[in-house]
Amino acid sequence: LAKTTQPISMDSYEGQEVNITCSHNNIATNDYITWYQQFPSQGPRFIIQGYKTKVTNEVASLFIPADRKSSTLSLPRVSLSDTAVYYCLVGARPMDSSYKLIFGSGTRLLVRP
Amino acid sequence: GAVVSQHPSRVICKSGTSVKIECRSLDFQATTMFWYRQFPKKSLMLMATSNEGSKATYEQGVEKDKFLINHASLTLSTLTVTSAHPEDSSFYICSARVSGMNTEAFFGQGTRLTVV
Repeated sequence: LAKTTQPISMDSYEGQEVNITCSHNNIATNDYITWYQQFPSQGPRFIIQGYKTKVTNEVASLFIPADRKSSTLSLPRVSLSDTAVYYCLVGARPMDSSYKLIFGSGTRLLVRP
Repeated sequence: GAVVSQHPSRVICKSGTSVKIECRSLDFQATTMFWYRQFPKKSLMLMATSNEGSKATYEQGVEKDKFLINHASLTLSTLTVTSAHPEDSSFYICSARVSGMNTEAFFGQGTRLTVV
């Protein structure tokens, strides 16, 4: 499974856009990129998934360059409640028999008032 | 989204005893469930993958006799920590994959185990 590298922590202020970049140099052709959010003492929550270019949903956008060796999670106008740990994962799709989620170290985002 | 429920959310047990944690998919069938443990300020570590009706696949370094996993139905998997020791104290989290769909796994709310 491809190893991921993320910043350990990031600080931001309410209302700002936050971009968290993840490096995955050894991503395989069939791998997808998925981001999860985790609050203290809770299980992770799915944010977004993509394979290439750009994906957007109601909470975030995911930018993936053509070489797919990195990806950027973009959170528009963060609020205090977005303070959490964000994990970037790379691996097979859920339909694949080899599917499993391996978590890296994650990025601890602190949003200040 | 689909709901995965863990029970109990918190448990305290004495050293040497065993404790069982349940993971249920409430509104979907889960062919595959995953068990993780997480220490404070650390990331989730995958312990094992369990498929309904078959033996669990354990990650390297995880003692299968210590952490017994049973996936008897499409909606229930259990993790039993046997002969618990204080170092087994951790946050245990399960996740479940929706059968037959290309949908990301959903996670339970976790179980805080404290061994005294």
